[in-house]
Amino acid sequence: EPEVTQTPSHQVTQMGQEVILRCVPISNHLYFYWYRQILGQKVEFLVSFYNNEISEKSEIFDDQFSVERPDGSNFTLKIRSTKLEDSAMYFCASSGGLAAETQYFGPGTRLLVL
Amino acid sequence: AQSVTQLGSHVSVSEGALVLLRCNYSSSVPPYLFWYVQYPNQGLQLLLKYTTGATLVKGINGFEAEFKKSETSFHLTKPSAHMSDAAEYFCAVTLRGGYNKLIFGAGTRLAVHP
Repeated sequence: EPEVTQTPSHQVTQMGQEVILRCVPISNHLYFYWYRQILGQKVEFLVSFYNNEISEKSEIFDDQFSVERPDGSNFTLKIRSTKLEDSAMYFCASSGGLAAETQYFGPGTRLLVL
Repeated sequence: AQSVTQLGSHVSVSEGALVLLRCNYSSSVPPYLFWYVQYPNQGLQLLLKYTTGATLVKGINGFEAEFKKSETSFHLTKPSAHMSDAAEYFCAVTLRGGYNKLIFGAGTRLAVHP
């Protein structure tokens, strides 16, 4: 069964460093999303992406964040200058096809900013 | 705006007992509703969803949920709990039409004891 994959599974970085989180969505999906879950809190929407453009972004998704689909398979989230409060689990999701409303999630990347 | 409230951050049941996880939503328009499950150190897995049609929907692992518009609820049930059901369960809402962000509840951690 097709699935969303994410790399790395864990990343530790120093405050102020740039990180890139990578995702490979399900191959025939056209809509891509990033969510995050700070420890002990709810899963929060960050951004959605379609046709090489951001469709919607939350207030969390400020200028420090960017997304890109650099090729036909990868979807990345970049945080330019990480802050302590960026420590969270980041989930990538994709949707498309006949059940376009259903988002399928990857296993997540746990980011720890020191 | 849409929102989700999950009553009970922790629920504990005996193996074989009924599982009932509560979800109430707020939406100015008819929504799509989802339940996702998160096993320890894993991503979010879709359990079931309501889009249109029959208000009682069945999902994987013996779970089902009923959409009750008058009560703005989408409670998740399973007749007989199994040890393997221990996980965190998230209710989510989105706008109809597909490709829209998911708004999650805070989650309910289900414990199953022998």
